[in-house]
Amino acid sequence: GENVEQHPSTLSVQEGDSAVIKCTYSDSASNYFPWYKQELGKRPQLIIDIRSNVGEKKDQRIAVTLNKTAKHFSLHITETQPEDSAVYFCAARPGDYKLSFGAGTTVTVRA
Amino acid sequence: GAVVSQHPSWVICKSGTSVKIECRSLDFQATTMFWYRQFPKQSLMLMATSNEGSKATYEQGVEKDKFLINHASLTLSTLTVTSAHPEDSSFYICSARGGARTFSYNEQFFGPGTRLTVL
Repeated sequence: GENVEQHPSTLSVQEGDSAVIKCTYSDSASNYFPWYKQELGKRPQLIIDIRSNVGEKKDQRIAVTLNKTAKHFSLHITETQPEDSAVYFCAARPGDYKLSFGAGTTVTVRA
Repeated sequence: GAVVSQHPSWVICKSGTSVKIECRSLDFQATTMFWYRQFPKQSLMLMATSNEGSKATYEQGVEKDKFLINHASLTLSTLTVTSAHPEDSSFYICSARGGARTFSYNEQFFGPGTRLTVL
C-alpha cells in the first residue's frame, strides 16, 4: 500500500517567517494530495490540496508543490502567524482508494 | 462544504462495557465512511472503510469482532467498541465521502471526533 513520510516532526518558526513541511510517497498511482491542519482535540481541517495534473497551487499564504517524478510534495506557509500553530498532516491517495497520512508536523510559531 | 457530525463528543465508560459512536453526514449522502483512531501525538490510523449496505473492510490488525461497524444508510455509520478496555481509550474520528460525480466525492469530510476514555 501507499506509504507517506513526513518531515520534520516538529518545526518552530519566528512569527513572520516561512514554514516548509515536506512529504514523500511511495505509490506512483497516487493522484490526490491533501494537507490538513489539526488543533488539539479537534478534527483535521483541509487547508489545501493538489492533484497530480498540477505542479503548484497557492491559496493566500499557503502553497503546495508537487514533484511527481521524485514523488514528493511540500507545504509552504509564508508570513506565519501565531494562529498557524497546530499539527499539520500530509496525505496521499492512489486513485479512488483510501488516504494514507504522514506522521504529522507540530508547528509552533513564536511571537 | 459538507458537514459531518459525531455523537457523542466524549464518553467515559467502565472496562468491559460497550460504547457506540455515531457518525452522520448532514447535507450529503455518504457512499463511503472511514473510521480512524488517533492516539496522543500520533497520526490518524485508519481502522476500517465502509460502504453503504456492505460489510466494512478492516485494516490489518484491527479486530472486526471488537470494533463493529454498521453503515446501514447513506447518512449514518456507527462504530461500536465492544468490551472496551483502557487500551481502547483514544480519539475516534469518522470521515465521509460522497458518490462519484457529486460535490462531496473529491475530498473526505471529517467529523469532530469522539474522545473515549475507558476506566
